Amino acid sequence: GQNIDQPTEMTATEGAIVQINCTYQTSGFNGLFWYQQHAGEAPTFLSYNVLDGLEEKGRFSSFLSRSKGYSYLLLKELQMKDSASYLCAVSKAAGNKLTFGGGTRVLVKP
Amino acid sequence: EAGVVQSPRYKIIEKKQPVAFWCNPISGHNTLYWYLQNLGQGPELLIRYENEEAVDDSQLPKDRFSAERLKGVDSTLKIQPAELGDSAVYLCASSLGRVNTQYFGPGTRLTVL
Repeated sequence: GQNIDQPTEMTATEGAIVQINCTYQTSGFNGLFWYQQHAGEAPTFLSYNVLDGLEEKGRFSSFLSRSKGYSYLLLKELQMKDSASYLCAVSKAAGNKLTFGGGTRVLVKP
Repeated sequence: EAGVVQSPRYKIIEKKQPVAFWCNPISGHNTLYWYLQNLGQGPELLIRYENEEAVDDSQLPKDRFSAERLKGVDSTLKIQPAELGDSAVYLCASSLGRVNTQYFGPGTRLTVL
């Protein structure tokens, strides 16, 4: 099976930086996705990592270490609209099956 | 380009009643997924289609749940009869092939009374 762990909730201040960690255990690893989900809305794609290292995309960056089974999503220059749940999902090679963590709810305060 | 479309957005029914959800994927996406999402949790895969073929339905409770994708485009997920524990958000997603990013629809929020 797959175990995916991420913190339940984080709070940060507008303009600050927050790092959301995700650890996983899986066989047949085929990449790790991060999605953002605002309350009552669809998860929206943020990033995909399949090789070790850092992928930067504007204010959001995602890091992967396959040997450690570890990823993080870094949100910089936080804005109020970044208040949402952030879902870590691991893809298995067979069939693009995504297994999601429980999500990390980020609350950005003024 | 239109995203994944789902309807209805909300549905309230009494237990033991049937219910159906509809999904129209992004144009050209041949792989379609149905997920269930409980409050405060991540989505869990119910079934995956490649074109009209259900290639992974291992997590679908087949005694009461059924799905179809007759022409390899739109899909319908049905529950009959619904139980209280089925209250959740049902998400549809699609991807271009089975190794690419999945894009989600807004979901149908089901409440079973």
